[in-house]
Amino acid sequence: GDSVTQTEGLVTLTKGLPVMLNCTYQTTYSPFLFWYVQHLNEAPKLLLKSSTDNKRTEHQGFYATLHKSSSSFHLQKSSVQLSDSALYFCALRISGSFNKLTFGAGTRLAVCP
Amino acid sequence: EAAVTQSPRSKVAVTGGKVTLSCHQTNNHDYMYWYRQDTGHGLRLIHYSYVADSTEKGDIPDGYKASRPSQENFSLILELASLSQTAVYFCASSAGGETLYFGSGTRLTVL
Repeated sequence: GDSVTQTEGLVTLTKGLPVMLNCTYQTTYSPFLFWYVQHLNEAPKLLLKSSTDNKRTEHQGFYATLHKSSSSFHLQKSSVQLSDSALYFCALRISGSFNKLTFGAGTRLAVCP
Repeated sequence: EAAVTQSPRSKVAVTGGKVTLSCHQTNNHDYMYWYRQDTGHGLRLIHYSYVADSTEKGDIPDGYKASRPSQENFSLILELASLSQTAVYFCASSAGGETLYFGSGTRLTVL
């Protein structure tokens, strides 16, 4: 079946450093990939989305590129801030699935001063 | 802005008891979803609905029922609560496009 893998459970970084959170997926259908962010005690919110191969999408300083050849949609930021500390979920939707999302396990990003 | 309201915000239930979690959306969205969140598992889909008076099973429906009496309301029912159902539950709505709008979650503890 369809699945999403996020390999890091926790990423700890110092403010100002770059970050990349890994996301790979498996599906035999045409994929639509998402990144959702969840701050402490808040609801998950959409951060990025893409269904276009090899096109970079950006929002709030974060960016990601869907690479269908490697089934990846890694999330990156060039300089993390303290406010970026949160739980980040990668999610997959396939065509005709009633907009059901399959989520990865999530990666917690902790940014230190 | 899209609004999804869940109640209660938290609940303590006894094993074997009945629990009902409620969700109300004012987005005029057709699609509604119930997810549970557990550490290490991300968000897993329990039930969903794309029209009033109809619900569909998600990936982990066992032990849960759902009810969609109107476009705005979507409930999750645990007829016989068990310890393994301790989790945070999120309701979400969608217009059928790509973005899900989540409620603030319900923290359920089953003792």
